[in-house]
Amino acid sequence: GESVGLHLPTLSVQEGDNSIINCAYSNSASDYFIWYKQESGKGPQFIIDIRSNMDKRQGQRVTVLLNKTVKHLSLQIAATQPGDSAVYFCAENIRQGGKLIFGQGTELSVKP
Amino acid sequence: KAGVTQTPRYLIKTRGQQVTLSCSPISGHRSVSWYQQTPGQGLQFLFEYFSETQRNKGNFPGRFSGRQFSNSRSEMNVSTLELGDSALYLCASSGKTGTHDSPLHFGNGTRLTVT
Repeated sequence: GESVGLHLPTLSVQEGDNSIINCAYSNSASDYFIWYKQESGKGPQFIIDIRSNMDKRQGQRVTVLLNKTVKHLSLQIAATQPGDSAVYFCAENIRQGGKLIFGQGTELSVKP
Repeated sequence: KAGVTQTPRYLIKTRGQQVTLSCSPISGHRSVSWYQQTPGQGLQFLFEYFSETQRNKGNFPGRFSGRQFSNSRSEMNVSTLELGDSALYLCASSGKTGTHDSPLHFGNGTRLTVT
């Protein structure tokens, strides 16, 4: 069935290091992808998005890479800070689907 | 601009009861989606409303229903509650219908516990 999966359920990094969170998606009809950050007790917070006609997009300290050939999405966080500690979800939109399909999430832990 | 507001934040109900959750979208947003989040299943799509019409529906039983009002505020209802309905229910709004090119903006959810 349709699924979006994450390679690593947990990721621990040192403050100041760069973090890379990976995501595999299974539906080649997906045309839009989003990364969300969820902190304890809060709803998912939009980080960055990318459309399928792009392979890279940059934001403030974050970069999303899309490889449609292998159906892989990654989120890179530069100079990771303790405030980045959270669960990160990738989500895909299947063309005409009208809903987002979420991955299971990766917990990022930043050590000071 | 105020974000998505969900009320109440916490609810405790007994099996067999029903519950209504409320969501106020970001001002100007006409699309409201609902998701269920559990540790085992993650984030699962329930339904989406746009201009008071249900546009999309997920794979949940008929006990789960929703509606949207003319001011874009939305409610979801769960009848005949089961223990497995315990979850965080998230509402999200978007400026456009569907999710093909506009991110959803989520509220902080309603934590429902069924005993």
